[in-house]
Amino acid sequence: NAGVMQNPRHLVRRRGQEARLRCSPMKGHSHVYWYRQLPEEGLKFMVYLQKENIIDESGMPKERFSAEFPKEGPSILRIQQVVRGDSAAYFCASSPREGNTEAFFGQGTRLTVV
Amino acid sequence: DQQVKQNSPSLSVQEGRISILNCDYTNSMFDYFLWYKKYPAEGPTFLISISSIKDKNEDGRFTVFLNKSAKHLSLHIVPSQPGDSAVYFCAATPLGQNFVFGPGTRLSVLP
Repeated sequence: NAGVMQNPRHLVRRRGQEARLRCSPMKGHSHVYWYRQLPEEGLKFMVYLQKENIIDESGMPKERFSAEFPKEGPSILRIQQVVRGDSAAYFCASSPREGNTEAFFGQGTRLTVV
Repeated sequence: DQQVKQNSPSLSVQEGRISILNCDYTNSMFDYFLWYKKYPAEGPTFLISISSIKDKNEDGRFTVFLNKSAKHLSLHIVPSQPGDSAVYFCAATPLGQNFVFGPGTRLSVLP
């Protein structure tokens, strides 16, 4: 049973470009969470999705950021018109979420904006 | 407003001794608590969890204690090993909602 898969592991974008980060949850998991970790900081919640639904996006910046988790395929975190401050590690986690259960994390995507 | 707090940014412990990592929370709706370990350039790895109906959960060298009235939990590692050196995150969640993480505590286990 493969774990949570994120790709790419490293992504370099110039200011103003778009960044697309992909997350394939563990098999059987229908709940996905995205977190951002800035250097020397903790994990900041961004968005919580179920298949085809956004459950909680209270941690997502209002502009330039969007997330989806389609019926088929991975969850996508999209950042439009990236700026230097978007440089961070972005982690995805998944859970089956039937009652209380842990979330399992991917290896993360390190985004560098140059 | 930080709902999950880990007031010690770092902790150093001698190999073989006990490591105690602390976590405080403010949201009384949290009913499930977790500890994750993170090495540099890797994703967080789940360690141990506890439901609010319990006050202790043990798994090998790791024990988590929960004091609901004080809104406090702690992770005990006994005996500590050099491979335990990592950043430890406390997380909490109300049922059906997202996981809220603390800022982490960097544990260094000295040989």
